[in-house]
Amino acid sequence: QKEVEQNSGPLSVPEGAIASLNCTYSDRGSQSFFWYRQYSGKSPELIMSIYSNGDKEDGRFTAQLNKASQYVSLLIRDSQPSDSATYLCAVRRGNTGKLIFGQGTTLQVKP
Amino acid sequence: DAEITQSPRHKITETGRQVTLACHQTWNHNNMFWYRQDLGHGLRLIHYSYGVQDTNKGEVSDGYSVSRSNTEDLPLTLESAASSQTSVYFCASSPSGAYNEQFFGPGTRLTVL
Repeated sequence: QKEVEQNSGPLSVPEGAIASLNCTYSDRGSQSFFWYRQYSGKSPELIMSIYSNGDKEDGRFTAQLNKASQYVSLLIRDSQPSDSATYLCAVRRGNTGKLIFGQGTTLQVKP
Repeated sequence: DAEITQSPRHKITETGRQVTLACHQTWNHNNMFWYRQDLGHGLRLIHYSYGVQDTNKGEVSDGYSVSRSNTEDLPLTLESAASSQTSVYFCASSPSGAYNEQFFGPGTRLTVL
């Protein structure tokens, strides 16, 4: 079992819809969780971080964390073609500064 | 503005040559990381440092080395480049503390012929 798992996709949604991206992790002691967006040929860009159970909203993005079920999700409301990218879930390993990354989910937003 | 830069952005080299990739950050972050990204493997940690004179091996460290002589720089050296080291390399940095948000440089695309 991988430490951080994501469905590779592609996840295809129409413009204006809600895109839901999911991630599960294996280390029950994990405390910090991150979502990165990576456009083709570019570097990962941090878009959300979440540390407590529940929802965290930032503009069109909402991160959801459920530590009991060991999953973290990212919702993108009013999806735009510019949101088409690969979304990487990352989990901080224990008390180290290291992050473990999932393989990423490719999102395609169709006009 | 604070930033993290990598150089060169593209590099072609031959098998057996020594190659050094530069990473420079102006955020004054204590933590710095080197990753490689390959299709089918995602981001994999090569080496990391939590401060000056501190270096640690990541999950794919064989054939690579780093040194940390100041806060701003963490150069990555390929001692004897191999074709299996053809990849995209990303440097990242983060502050110390509980949250450790990592910020990535633009990447270096390395081709070993």
